[in-house]
Amino acid sequence: DIQMTQSPSSLSASVGDRVTITCRPSQNISNYLNWYQQKPGRAPKLLIYGTSTLQSGVPSSFSGSGSGTDFTLTISSLQPEDSATYYCQQSYNVPLTFGGGTKVEIK
Amino acid sequence: EVQLVESGGGLVQPGGSVRLSCVASGFSSSNYWMYWVRQAPGKGLVWVSRISSDGRSTNYAGSVRGRFSISRDNAKNTVYLQMNSLRVEDTAMYYCARAVGNAYGYGWLDPWGQGTLVTVSS
Repeated sequence: DIQMTQSPSSLSASVGDRVTITCRPSQNISNYLNWYQQKPGRAPKLLIYGTSTLQSGVPSSFSGSGSGTDFTLTISSLQPEDSATYYCQQSYNVPLTFGGGTKVEIK
Repeated sequence: EVQLVESGGGLVQPGGSVRLSCVASGFSSSNYWMYWVRQAPGKGLVWVSRISSDGRSTNYAGSVRGRFSISRDNAKNTVYLQMNSLRVEDTAMYYCARAVGNAYGYGWLDPWGQGTLVTVSS
């Protein structure tokens, strides 16, 4: 199975800050990387698929980049409603595997 | 609106069984691989099982293989997860999700249902 390592596991930032989350798979997954947002008590929601394609309705403040074994989710200007846990997921092969999550809090 | 709604969770004793259901609306689930993903309290997301669009192919995580069984009724737009020989460590929120982006069931998961909580405890 492909192991997905996210960092940091948590972060605290101020409104308006630029936030970066990293995801590193244990092997090359080309661009088969997806990101999800999960707010407390809610189901995960797809944010980005195929490394950098924003799901419909997702604010343009979110962006994704990377390839191979190094991927990044960036929030260009953090907003209060972005407080959530973010998960990466590889879709290179089965089983689909997820990162451990990054909890983003607002200072 | 594309939507998934799970049901069937609850409190179950160790060694017991439960069947979860996931009803799709707003799309024909018969065109998609469907997944079950679980999340233990305070923990991350873990894939449990998946089933092909025609129901002929299934896969399971090692931790549930031999105890859980996934199936589907495309006429009812419903996917099931039969969970037997339940253990305390199976306690989790169980989500169903549609796999998009690849005909072989690899891809991103969208949408997700709201989840159904299974608690295994004596």
